[in-house]
Amino acid sequence: AQSVTQLDSQVPVFEEAPVELRCNYSSSVSVYLFWYVQYPNQGLQLLLKYLSGSTLVESINGFEAEFNKSQTSFHLRKPSVHISDTAEYFCAVSEGAAGNKLTFGGGTRVLVKP
Amino acid sequence: EAQVTQNPRYLITVTGKKLTVTCSQNMNHEYMSWYRQDPGLGLRQIYYSMNVEVTDKGDVPEGYKVSRKEKRNFPLILESPSPNQTSLYFCASSKRRSGTSGTLAQETQYFGPGTRLLVL
Repeated sequence: AQSVTQLDSQVPVFEEAPVELRCNYSSSVSVYLFWYVQYPNQGLQLLLKYLSGSTLVESINGFEAEFNKSQTSFHLRKPSVHISDTAEYFCAVSEGAAGNKLTFGGGTRVLVKP
Repeated sequence: EAQVTQNPRYLITVTGKKLTVTCSQNMNHEYMSWYRQDPGLGLRQIYYSMNVEVTDKGDVPEGYKVSRKEKRNFPLILESPSPNQTSLYFCASSKRRSGTSGTLAQETQYFGPGTRLLVL
C-alpha cells in the first residue's frame, strides 16, 4: 500500500527567502506524483505533477519539484517566496495499479512573513 | 466553465440527523471521489466511483454512503452523523484511467470548493 510523509507540518519563511517542502512516499510499484496547494478558505488546486519523462517539473508560479526514485522523494522548492504563497501544500501519489485514487500526505503549512 | 460544485458549503447539524452533501461536475468525468480533510492527516478517501452505478469504499468509509445514479452527480450521505464526522469534505472528479498508465487528463483531478461540516 502506498503512503506519503510530509516531514514538516509548518514552515515559517521570510519573504524573498527560499523554501523547500519535503515529501517522501512508499510504494512497491511505479507512481505518479503531485503537489496540491490550498489557499486559506479555498479548495485544492493542482500545483504540479510528475507522470513520466524529466524528473524536474515546474509550475507557472515559480515552484519546482524533483522526482528522485532512489530516495522515493518528491520535494517541492521555490527560490524566492512571496506573501501570496502563504498556503497549505499537499503532496500526493497515485499508483498505476490503484486506478485514480490519490493518497495524500498530512500537509505542510507555509507562512510567509514580511 | 469546467467545475466541480458542492452544496452546502457550510453545515451545522446535530447527532443522528441524516444529511446529504451534493457534488456535481460538468466535465463528463467517469471518476468521482469523496475525501475528508482533518488537521495533520491530509485528505483521506471516503468513497469513489469509477462510473455510473459503480462505487467502492476508500480508506475511511464507515458512517458514510454514496450513490452514482447519474454521471455528473455523486452525493455523500451521512445516515446518522456523529461528532467524529466533523470535518472538511471535498469532492473530486477526473477522467478514468483504464489501465496502469494514465494520460494527463486521467491523472488530473479537479476538486470542489469543500463543505465544512460541524456535528454537535
